Amino acid sequence: DAGVTQSPTHLIKTRGQQVTLRCSPKSGHDTVSWYQQALGQGPQFIFQYYEEEERQRGNFPDRFSGHQFPNYSSELNVNALLLGDSALYLCASSSIQGASYNEQFFGPGTRLTVL
Amino acid sequence: SQQGEEDPQALSIQEGENATMNCSYKTSINNLQWYRQNSGRGLVHLILIRSNEREKHSGRLRVTLDTSKKSSSLLITASRAADTASYFCATDVGANSKLTFGKGITLSVRP
Repeated sequence: DAGVTQSPTHLIKTRGQQVTLRCSPKSGHDTVSWYQQALGQGPQFIFQYYEEEERQRGNFPDRFSGHQFPNYSSELNVNALLLGDSALYLCASSSIQGASYNEQFFGPGTRLTVL
Repeated sequence: SQQGEEDPQALSIQEGENATMNCSYKTSINNLQWYRQNSGRGLVHLILIRSNEREKHSGRLRVTLDTSKKSSSLLITASRAADTASYFCATDVGANSKLTFGKGITLSVRP
């Protein structure tokens, strides 16, 4: 049973560029959440997708957008990259049917470096 | 903003000793979860405790929750060098809601 997978593992971009990160949820999960983790900090919630719609959003600008596909996989897009966007981006999956427990399982993350 | 605050920020112990880490939070919660992270990689889910539970065990892990004090503790017994990692508590306020993390505790277990 594959866990949460993310691609790519590492990415280097320059300021002003755009980036797309990808996530496949754990088998049987239908909800995907994205988090940003700056160095030395805890993860910060970006947004959550369920049924191909954004259900919740954290305090991130519109430069951060996402998408969920019918197979539950998800993408995170960041436009007009800033140096401060350099971070580890984590994807977490969960199941709406297990919602009362809200156990979220994380992927290995994508390390984004903006130069 | 960070909801949870872990204490201490860093902990260094000898292999075989017990490690106790604490987490405090500010608002009422539905669940509290503990995660482990090795060297800036993905988060590994350790244990979830619901707001109506006071204590849970999983292998060498024991988690307690005191909702009146808005605090939780994670005890790792008989620590091993492989337990060296950062540990985070995360809270949520309802079903399928976002997780709010603290800044984490760095645990070093010396062989």
